[in-house]
Amino acid sequence: AQSVAQPEDQVNVAEGNPLTVKCTYSVSGNPYLFWYVQYPNRGLQFLLKYITGDNLVKGSYGFEAEFNKSQTSFHLKKPSALVSDSALYFCAVSLRGGYNKLIFGAGTRLAVHP
Amino acid sequence: DGGITQSPKYLFRKEGQNVTLSCEQNLNHDAMYWYRQDPGQGLRLIYYSQIVNDFQKGDIAEGYSVSREKKESFPLTVTSAQKNPTAFYLCASSGKSGNTIYFGEGSWLTVV
Repeated sequence: AQSVAQPEDQVNVAEGNPLTVKCTYSVSGNPYLFWYVQYPNRGLQFLLKYITGDNLVKGSYGFEAEFNKSQTSFHLKKPSALVSDSALYFCAVSLRGGYNKLIFGAGTRLAVHP
Repeated sequence: DGGITQSPKYLFRKEGQNVTLSCEQNLNHDAMYWYRQDPGQGLRLIYYSQIVNDFQKGDIAEGYSVSREKKESFPLTVTSAQKNPTAFYLCASSGKSGNTIYFGEGSWLTVV
């Protein structure tokens, strides 16, 4: 079965420190990869995506993600965390070809402490 | 402003009632989607539509129905057959495969 795993329910980091939110996937072929962020009681906001090319993808609000094909991972990173980054983060994949269906991970709650 | 508008934000349903959640987009996207979000879980696909007058079941379509009479609109009806409808519902839209899927602000449905 095709799936996305976010192994950490919650990540805690001090403000100013680097952060990493992990994502691995198990799908056939070469999927498109996405990160979204959700603030309380809100919809999902798009952060970044990997389609092809450079393995390091830069996105909104200073976030970036590193694609590793051999490890089937797409970890989200930020060099210096802000308290305002505290939110729920979702990794998702969609398959090339066919319709644009997103398969989501369960989400990781990021808590940035002052 | 361009975007996806969901209404209402909060909706309460009595046992045995059908309720309809509205979703409108002005992004000129062909594809539209409905997802359900439960606490501690990721999003699960209810229905999707790639073109007007056509739609397909997602992973958890039982107890739900949709229509796509206009490109801009994709309403979701939660029927009385859905036994556990309390959840956060998210509408989304996108262009073709590989294009980013954009989400609305969501609607809370609670059974009372």
